[in-house]
Amino acid sequence: DTEVTQTPKHLVMGMTNKKSLKCEQHMGHRAMYWYKQKAKKPPELMFVYSYEKLSINESVPSRFSPECPNSSLLNLHLHALQPEDSALYLCASSQGPRRPHYEQYFGPGTRLTVT
Amino acid sequence: GENVEQHPSTLSVQEGDSAVIKCTYSDSASNYFPWYKQELGKRPQLIIDIRSNVGEKKDQRIAVTLNKTAKHFSLHITETQPEDSAVYFCAASFKLIFGAGTRLAVHP
Repeated sequence: DTEVTQTPKHLVMGMTNKKSLKCEQHMGHRAMYWYKQKAKKPPELMFVYSYEKLSINESVPSRFSPECPNSSLLNLHLHALQPEDSALYLCASSQGPRRPHYEQYFGPGTRLTVT
Repeated sequence: GENVEQHPSTLSVQEGDSAVIKCTYSDSASNYFPWYKQELGKRPQLIIDIRSNVGEKKDQRIAVTLNKTAKHFSLHITETQPEDSAVYFCAASFKLIFGAGTRLAVHP
């Protein structure tokens, strides 16, 4: 299996809702990432997990809460989001976060709309 | 922090022509430079990458060159085809600091 999968594909939520995004990979990769991509913009790194531990948080607001239950799964818990948080949320994985295994492979993303 | 600039923002070529996209980076410690292709509504896909100990890398119609002294790297696509039409992103570092993207249109 050489794919990163994400669920759901689309999500609409109100500002008071709590929801979670899920990401899964079965490539034996030990680093997993969350990115946020707004329309016509490049992806922006949010979090990096290395060997199931949070290693990088790019000053993301606390209404986004990542979780890595095991080496294959990555969740992003959402609470009290704002309309400006509407975006495509991409998960990626790589063999490791440092050399020589930098290559990151992206999932298809979850398109999130906050109303 | 690291900054990556990418030019041009849009590029239109005729089928069979070559396309070149250029990026510059700010952090001299960066040592990994991938290129991603993203079609409309799809995920970014890694098409080629280069590490700082190599000056050039080629994969069929795609090549990447790196000039560490000048801190710039370029993507070269030869014999372009309509299916090459997409947004191309350069990036630097394992954290993938992306450039703003280049929208490439290949006209038949």
